[in-house]
Amino acid sequence: DILMTQTPLSLSVTPGEPASISCRSRLSLLDSDGNTYLDWYVQKPGQSPQLLIYALSNRASGVPDRFSGSGSETDFTLTINRVEAEDVGVYYCMQRIEFPSTFGQGTKVEIK
Amino acid sequence: QAQLVESGGGLVQPGGSLRLSCAASGLTISNNYMTWVRQAPGRGLESIAYISSTGSSTHYADAVKGRFTISRDTAMNSLFLQMRNVRADDTGVYYCVTEDGGVPFWGQGVLVTVSS
Repeated sequence: DILMTQTPLSLSVTPGEPASISCRSRLSLLDSDGNTYLDWYVQKPGQSPQLLIYALSNRASGVPDRFSGSGSETDFTLTINRVEAEDVGVYYCMQRIEFPSTFGQGTKVEIK
Repeated sequence: QAQLVESGGGLVQPGGSLRLSCAASGLTISNNYMTWVRQAPGRGLESIAYISSTGSSTHYADAVKGRFTISRDTAMNSLFLQMRNVRADDTGVYYCVTEDGGVPFWGQGVLVTVSS
């Protein structure tokens, strides 16, 4: 299984300030089709995971443009430009280049 | 609009069986692979079963291999997870996951509780 490592595991952010979460894969997630199969999700309390970013850097429908994804074959970053109170939750990275899909441990984002 | 709706969850005794269903609408399951992902209470996410777009290939996480079976019915446009010999650590929310036009897509999940 492809190990996914997220850092930090918790983050406390002042509203309006930026925040970033890192995710590292043990293997390259760049496929031969040119896509990098790394996605980002947020799970808010009592809800199912919501897709934020798919295939490295594509924002999902309805996701505010303050969220962005970047990275290379094994190192990835989710950036929130200006954190808002509604951004609290647990953020996960996920690889789906091969089964089983594997997830980072999750990063809990809190608002100061 | 694409939708995945899971059903069949509930309370089951250790050693018992349960069959989860995932009804798809707005997308055709035979066009994509499909997976089951679960989340134990207060824990992270775990992908446990996969079926290919052709239905000819299945894979399982070690934690469920030999106990769970993933299958699909293309006529019903539905995915299933047959769970047998369940254990307390199978408790959690089970999600049906696929892709729609290359974009990952999840159902809302169904709760399975294994307890006597």
